[in-house]
Amino acid sequence: DAKTTQPPSMDCAEGRAANLPCNHSTISGNEYVYWYRQIHSQGPQYIIHGLKNNETNEMASLIITEDRKSSTLILPHATLRDTAVYYCIVNPDTGNQFYFGTGTSLTVIP
Amino acid sequence: EAGVAQSPRYKIIEKRQSVAFWCNPISGHATLYWYQQILGQGPKLLIQFQNNGVVDDSQLPKDRFSAERLKGVDSTLKIQPAKLEDSAVYLCASSLMGLANTEAFFGQGTRLTVV
Repeated sequence: DAKTTQPPSMDCAEGRAANLPCNHSTISGNEYVYWYRQIHSQGPQYIIHGLKNNETNEMASLIITEDRKSSTLILPHATLRDTAVYYCIVNPDTGNQFYFGTGTSLTVIP
Repeated sequence: EAGVAQSPRYKIIEKRQSVAFWCNPISGHATLYWYQQILGQGPKLLIQFQNNGVVDDSQLPKDRFSAERLKGVDSTLKIQPAKLEDSAVYLCASSLMGLANTEAFFGQGTRLTVV
């Protein structure tokens, strides 16, 4: 039931900013945008989430467009340990379900 | 703070056998999820509990899969009988409550191989 579209793969040079896009054109008013990542052989790890405003934490920044139809996750200074699959999820405003798509496989290159 | 605990980490069984997985969520988390992740795919939600009640089990293959959370804390997921296509990682997650602005935390998963 994923309602998001992400590129299947991206590369980023170590030390540079990684900008991961996500389209969620059918998002409704009270649905949150969540980002998770999954490093090989581990469970998904929460990164950040937001509703309308841009958000920043110690891991990343989330930029949501004004019409809320797309967002970008920014890792400001990518390291090799950021190599993972990144999932953008639209969280229903009832029940707190997390439906994962296929995500974006980010490879950070030395 | 202790994370979501799952056991076992790995399990190999023959087809038609039964298997059970155990999950202990983060203390105080009312919502518990079970996911199935087949190699190369994103996690698929199987079932969601709020305390000991089922919120969503629409994607649980009920002819062979069952899950329970009797006391509203830990949970077990069972497969009986297993098929080859059940080979996957089974992930458990928990969140503080069933609200849309509450993140879920995942365990390391149980890797099941059906031969």
